[in-house]
Amino acid sequence: EPEVTQTPSHQVTQMGQEVILRCVPISNHLYFYWYRQILGQKVEFLVSFYNNEISEKSEIFDDQFSVERPDGSNFTLKIRSTKLEDSAMYFCASTLMGGTDADTQYFGPGTRLTVL
Amino acid sequence: GIQVEQSPPDLILQEGANSTLRCNFSDSVNNLQWFHQNPWGQLINLFYIPSGTKQNGRLSATTVATERYSLLYISSSQTTDSGVYFCAVYAYNTDKLIFGTGTRLQVFP
Repeated sequence: EPEVTQTPSHQVTQMGQEVILRCVPISNHLYFYWYRQILGQKVEFLVSFYNNEISEKSEIFDDQFSVERPDGSNFTLKIRSTKLEDSAMYFCASTLMGGTDADTQYFGPGTRLTVL
Repeated sequence: GIQVEQSPPDLILQEGANSTLRCNFSDSVNNLQWFHQNPWGQLINLFYIPSGTKQNGRLSATTVATERYSLLYISSSQTTDSGVYFCAVYAYNTDKLIFGTGTRLQVFP
């Protein structure tokens, strides 16, 4: 069964450094998402992406964050200058249909980001 | 924005027991999904259930969209059912899943 993959599984970085989290969505999916989960809390939406554009973003997704689909398979989340409070599990998700015809979102296994 | 509340927050069961988890949402939704977060942190899809009832083995789910709630039933629980169960909804005119607060389930042998 097709699945969403994410790399790395765990990333440790120093405060102020840039990190790039990588995702390979399911191949025929068109809508892509990033969510994060701070330890012990619920999962929060960061950003949705369709047709090479951000379609929606949360208040968390400020100028330090960016997303890109650099080729036909990868979807990346970049944090330009990490802060301690960016430490969290980051999930990538994809779906065939989004918006008002939303279908099941499939989640990757997550990247655990630790900022020291 | 839409609020998603789950109950109970914590549930402790002995193996073989049945349980019902509840998800209430404050506004009309376009979609609802149930997830199981295992001890390794992975989010496993259980059901896509905007309305009606679905069953998958020992698990079943019912969503009554007009009354703004969904229920997840776990029968004959096993220790591998332990973890956190989240419901998540799409509100109309949004393109994101809004997650509930979760129910932490512990099943002991």
